Amino acid sequence: DAGITQSPRHKVTETGTPVTLRCHQTENHRYMYWYRQDPGHGLRLIHYSYGVKDTDKGEVSDGYSVSRSKTEDFLLTLESATSSQTSVYFCAIGTYEQYFGPGTRLTVT
Amino acid sequence: RKEVEQDPGPFNVPEGATVAFNCTYSNSASQSFFWYRQDCRKEPKLLMSVYSSGNEDGRFTAQLNRASQYISLLIRDSKLSDSATYLCVVPISGTYKYIFGTGTRLKVLA
Repeated sequence: DAGITQSPRHKVTETGTPVTLRCHQTENHRYMYWYRQDPGHGLRLIHYSYGVKDTDKGEVSDGYSVSRSKTEDFLLTLESATSSQTSVYFCAIGTYEQYFGPGTRLTVT
Repeated sequence: RKEVEQDPGPFNVPEGATVAFNCTYSNSASQSFFWYRQDCRKEPKLLMSVYSSGNEDGRFTAQLNRASQYISLLIRDSKLSDSATYLCVVPISGTYKYIFGTGTRLKVLA
């Protein structure tokens, strides 16, 4: 299995609080992605990165920001969490064939 | 038309049966396609890649029909362990961004 970890694995937070999710890889891959998965929508791309400090938006980027200061780490920040951001968040690496982390279950109350 | 469409199922089949799922896509320029498997409350895992007309791996066969813009996944001799959701994935042409289908759920029954 590809070396991808996510932290935290579970988090409950209150509306309006900032939240940062971390994705860490040991594969030295250039491309990293953040997705969210919700019932009826499948996986949707939030942001992705194609190198250190190189990031771009996906289809559902509003309310999210990302940073990549090192090849191995890709951070996803919810500046002010809302209930609509309750979801399962997956990090992935790879280009044509993607490999996913175990996911983070985030609940915003 | 959605960019990637899948029948959500569930497909309930007995052990040993052959089952097939289709996935339709809207962008005729798409060149590569992927099937992922996702178990309940787990991450998606790559099952098969399809770069040309098709691909076969053991009991699994993926086929591409460019004229009708769909890919199919055929599972022969179904096992209980094949029970999962199967996701179809299509890249956005010219990018390393991907569109995921909502998945087809398969239940293999003893």
